Amino acid sequence: DTEVTQTPKHLVMGMTNKKSLKCEQHMGHRAMYWYKQKAKKPPELMFVYSYEKLSINESVPSRFSPECPNSSLLNLHLHALQPEDSALYLCASSLTQGHEQYFGPGTRLTVT
Amino acid sequence: QKEVEQNSGPLSVPEGAIASLNCTYSDRVSQSFFWYRQYSGKSPELIMSIYSNGDKEDGRFTAQLNKASQYVSLLIRDSQPSDSATYLCAVNTGNQFYFGTGTSLTVIP
Repeated sequence: DTEVTQTPKHLVMGMTNKKSLKCEQHMGHRAMYWYKQKAKKPPELMFVYSYEKLSINESVPSRFSPECPNSSLLNLHLHALQPEDSALYLCASSLTQGHEQYFGPGTRLTVT
Repeated sequence: QKEVEQNSGPLSVPEGAIASLNCTYSDRVSQSFFWYRQYSGKSPELIMSIYSNGDKEDGRFTAQLNKASQYVSLLIRDSQPSDSATYLCAVNTGNQFYFGTGTSLTVIP
């Protein structure tokens, strides 16, 4: 089973809202990732967690706050977003950093 | 220079033909290479991974890696309309994972 799940599938939020995206995998993977993808562009790496520790932060604005409560879960907390943050947010996991990544279905985020 | 480069296409092939997708990368220490397929509005789906020089076949897909030339390709034999998608090349350098910009493939019935 190579399933990564993400909730919610769609999210509409105002610029003053606080919301969270959730990601879960039960493959025993120890690396988890958040990506942002705009239309007709490749996924853009935001954060990497390796063994539940933040490994990479690609200079993402502080209005995005990642959290890895345990080895199976990854959250992305959103606060005071801008309309340009509207995108498909993808979670992925891999056995460790460097192995093939498996993507969840994504959360389509719209900021109004 | 971008880490990973792909022809953006679009690439059009007739049904039943061979589709050839190409990717070059700049970092010689790159260790592993992947091809993903992404349908419009969906997330990327891993279709092939390759770690050593040569060819790797999986059904209608063949990945080819040439580390000396820093080149990786994907061949799709007997192309089907359902293969119409964007194909993303990805390269892992050990600590970083880089995606190319993707090649859009259309298979014409």
